[in-house]
Amino acid sequence: NAGVTQTPKFRILKIGQSMTLQCTQDMNHNYMYWYRQDPGMGLKLIYYSVGAGITDKGEVPNGYNVSRSTTEDFPLRLELAAPSQTSVYFCASSSLRTGGDGYTFGSGTRLTVV
Amino acid sequence: GQQLNQSPQSMFIQEGEDVSMNCTSSSIFNTWLWYKQDPGEGPVLLIALYKAGELTSNGRLTAQFGITRKDSFLNISASIPSDVGIYFCAGQLRGGADGLTFGKGTHLIIQP
Repeated sequence: NAGVTQTPKFRILKIGQSMTLQCTQDMNHNYMYWYRQDPGMGLKLIYYSVGAGITDKGEVPNGYNVSRSTTEDFPLRLELAAPSQTSVYFCASSSLRTGGDGYTFGSGTRLTVV
Repeated sequence: GQQLNQSPQSMFIQEGEDVSMNCTSSSIFNTWLWYKQDPGEGPVLLIALYKAGELTSNGRLTAQFGITRKDSFLNISASIPSDVGIYFCAGQLRGGADGLTFGKGTHLIIQP
């Protein structure tokens, strides 16, 4: 059971470049989330999705876009990378019934924008 | 949005000591969760609490959901080296939707 898989694990971007952080889960979870974690801080919600075709903004959505064309995949897009987007990004999924206690996190993508 | 105040920020303890950390909020949560994060990994759930006043144990870990629904604590008894890591509290307003609100974490360091 792979759980939640994130790629890449590490990436360095130049200011203004774009990239997509990939996230896929094999647990047939309806809910998927993207969080960012800055040094010494907790995780902050960027976007979430309650099912295929449905996405919603979280606490810090500016500078990001998401899509949810399938249950399994929830990619996060950075269009014009900025140094403020240097962070560790975590994708998570959960089932409809269990909520937070059913969260499974990926192992993260460490992004540096220079 | 909601904010969680987690303390202490870091703890330096001797192996075998007990540990206590807590979270407080200005908002009411329906669920309190405690996670542990190891370096280079995502958070892993330790304990989930669903009812005000609930006290739940998981091995050497014990957590409580405050009566006011605005606070929670986590205790670790007889710490061992593998307890090293960052512990996060998280609150959830309703199951499955809107995501979690996280505290800033407590960094636990154990000196041999």
